[in-house]
Amino acid sequence: QSALTQPASVSGSPGQSITISCTGTSSDVGGYNYVSWYQQHPGKAPKLMIYDVSNRPSGVSNRFSGSKSGNTASLTISGLQAEDEADYYCSSYTSSSTLVFGTGTKVTVL
Amino acid sequence: QVQLVQSGAEVKKPGASVKVSCKASGYTFTSYDINWVRQATGQGLEWMGWMNPNSGNTGYAQKFQGRVTMTRNTSISTAYMELSSLRSEDTAVYYCARGGGAIFDWGQGTLVTVSS
Repeated sequence: QSALTQPASVSGSPGQSITISCTGTSSDVGGYNYVSWYQQHPGKAPKLMIYDVSNRPSGVSNRFSGSKSGNTASLTISGLQAEDEADYYCSSYTSSSTLVFGTGTKVTVL
Repeated sequence: QVQLVQSGAEVKKPGASVKVSCKASGYTFTSYDINWVRQATGQGLEWMGWMNPNSGNTGYAQKFQGRVTMTRNTSISTAYMELSSLRSEDTAVYYCARGGGAIFDWGQGTLVTVSS
């Protein structure tokens, strides 16, 4: 199972919106509504930000939103803040009853 | 609150095995899958497999088939991940994590270093 494809880096100024893409296949992202997004700060465990494509866990800011079209899922961060600077990973359930993570995206707040 | 507390760092020689534990609290242990995910320094997240603590059923990533074993002891709400035939490329932080299609809670991570 190959990793899902994410851009290596995305940057934006405070207050701007950015979008991170996550491209898979019809056997993972395109085939199931089980796409999740995780935020990871250096030296910390990942934190769930979005699950089931577009749902936010309790306590996650509504500045984070998710969507999916075909084999590509997206995470949008609106009103970018300094604390959003981190690595972001997508994941998807697959047709093999496994999970697969994306390659990861480093978000930089300029 | 949900807590997943993992065992401490390990140093192993190539060819050896390592067994990492993950003690769960704050929820019913048998109600949620446990996943194991690893991350080498400076690298991305890599899913290793899952276990259903109720049935003991497991599913492993193809890459680790034959080398990884996930088990549990329900009486102490603890999950285990054993990786055998260790090589230097297995040096990483290993996380246990609660959830099915989405992982809602993560352990603090266990650093496993493989070095001669």
